[in-house]
Amino acid sequence: DIQMTQSPASLSASLGETVTIECRASEDIYNGLAWYQQKPGKSPQLLIYNANSLHTGVPSRFSGSGSGTQYSLKINSLQSEDVASYFCQQYYNYPPTFGSGTKLEIK
Amino acid sequence: QVQLQQSGAELVKPGTSVKLSCKASGYTFTSNHMNWIKQTTGQGLEWIGIINPGSGGTSYNVKFKGKATLTVDKSSSTAFMQLSSLTPEDSAVYYCARDYGSFDYWGQGVMVTVSS
Repeated sequence: DIQMTQSPASLSASLGETVTIECRASEDIYNGLAWYQQKPGKSPQLLIYNANSLHTGVPSRFSGSGSGTQYSLKINSLQSEDVASYFCQQYYNYPPTFGSGTKLEIK
Repeated sequence: QVQLQQSGAELVKPGTSVKLSCKASGYTFTSNHMNWIKQTTGQGLEWIGIINPGSGGTSYNVKFKGKATLTVDKSSSTAFMQLSSLTPEDSAVYYCARDYGSFDYWGQGVMVTVSS
């Protein structure tokens, strides 16, 4: 199985700041990478697919980049509603596997 | 709009089975495969398997073979997952999620608690 290593595990930032979350795959996943946001008590919601494509309805302050084994999610102008956990997922190879998550809080 | 409505929370005894449902609406049910995912605090998110609603064909994570069985009822646009021989380690939140390569829409999740 492809291992997804996500960092940091937790992150605290101020409103209006820019934050970046990283994800490293154990082998090349050829941009088969998604990012999800999960708010407390809710199901994960797709933010980014194919490493850099914004899902319908997702604010443009979210962006994804990367290639090969290294990928990142950037959130510009942090808003209070961005408090959540964020997960990466590779779907290039079966079984799909997830990162362990990043918990984002507001300072 | 696409919606996946899952059945309610379950409290079940060890050694028994449980069948969870996921009713799809807002799109053609047979146009997308359906995934099932397990979430626990300790293990995070784990992919269980996927079913093709059109053919009934399935693929499972090796870890969940023999534990989970995926089926569908096309007439009601509903996907099902049966979990068998339940142990406390099966206590988790289970999600269905529509397949788009990535998982573009998720159900609200169902908490399964295995306890005597």
